[in-house]
Amino acid sequence: DGGITQSPKYLFRKEGQNVTLSCEQNLNHDAMYWYRQDPGQGLRLIYYSQIVNDFQKGDIAEGYSVSREKKESFPLTVTSAQKNPTAFYLCASSIKETQYFGPGTRLLVL
Amino acid sequence: GQQVMQIPQYQHVQEGEDFTTYCNSSTTLSNIQWYKQRPGGHPVFLIQLVKSGEVKKQKRLTFQFGEAKKNSSLHITATQTTDVGTYFCAPSGSARQLTFGSGTQLTVLP
Repeated sequence: DGGITQSPKYLFRKEGQNVTLSCEQNLNHDAMYWYRQDPGQGLRLIYYSQIVNDFQKGDIAEGYSVSREKKESFPLTVTSAQKNPTAFYLCASSIKETQYFGPGTRLLVL
Repeated sequence: GQQVMQIPQYQHVQEGEDFTTYCNSSTTLSNIQWYKQRPGGHPVFLIQLVKSGEVKKQKRLTFQFGEAKKNSSLHITATQTTDVGTYFCAPSGSARQLTFGSGTQLTVLP
C-alpha cells in the first residue's frame, strides 16, 4: 500500500523543548516538502528536499531543521527557537510537479 | 515563488447552486495546479493547467487557465455537500516548488 505517512497525528510540546515530526514515503519520489498551515490559512513552505542529502530553506525556515539521509524519510524538527509552533504540519512528496500529501501532524504547545 | 491572490476567501452556497473561485497573479505563470482540502484533512491534487486558455472538466468541476496565463478559475456546477472544503490554487516555480494561494473555503448548506 503506497503512500505518505506522518506521525504522530497529535503532538504536544512544552516550552523550550525540541520535537521531531516524522514523514515517510514509499512512493519512490525524489522530492519531499514540509508545510505549515495555520487555522483558516494557506500552506507555507518550511523546507524542501529534491534529493537525498540535500535540502533547501523555504519561506519560513527559521526555528525549524530537517535532514534527508534516506530517500524515504524527511523528518522535521521544531526547535525551541520557533516561538509560535502551534500549527498543522503537512509533509508532501512529488514526482514531477504534482504533490502528494500525508495526513498531517497537529502540534500544540503546552 | 510565484505570488497569487485567491478570492473569495469564504463562500457559502445553498446545495444545488454554482460556485466559482478565482486565482490571480501579477506575473505570467508557467502552469497552475488546484488542490482540495476537506475539513480536518490534507490537500489532494485535482488538476494541472499548462496551456494558455486551457479548459479542463472533471464531472461538475470546470478549470480554466487565462489566455495571458495570469489567472485561473475553478467552477463547480450544482454544488453538493461532498464539495465542502477549501480549494487552493498553486502555481509551480523552480525546483518543483508550489506556492499555495490562501484558499477559498466552501460551505454548502443542505
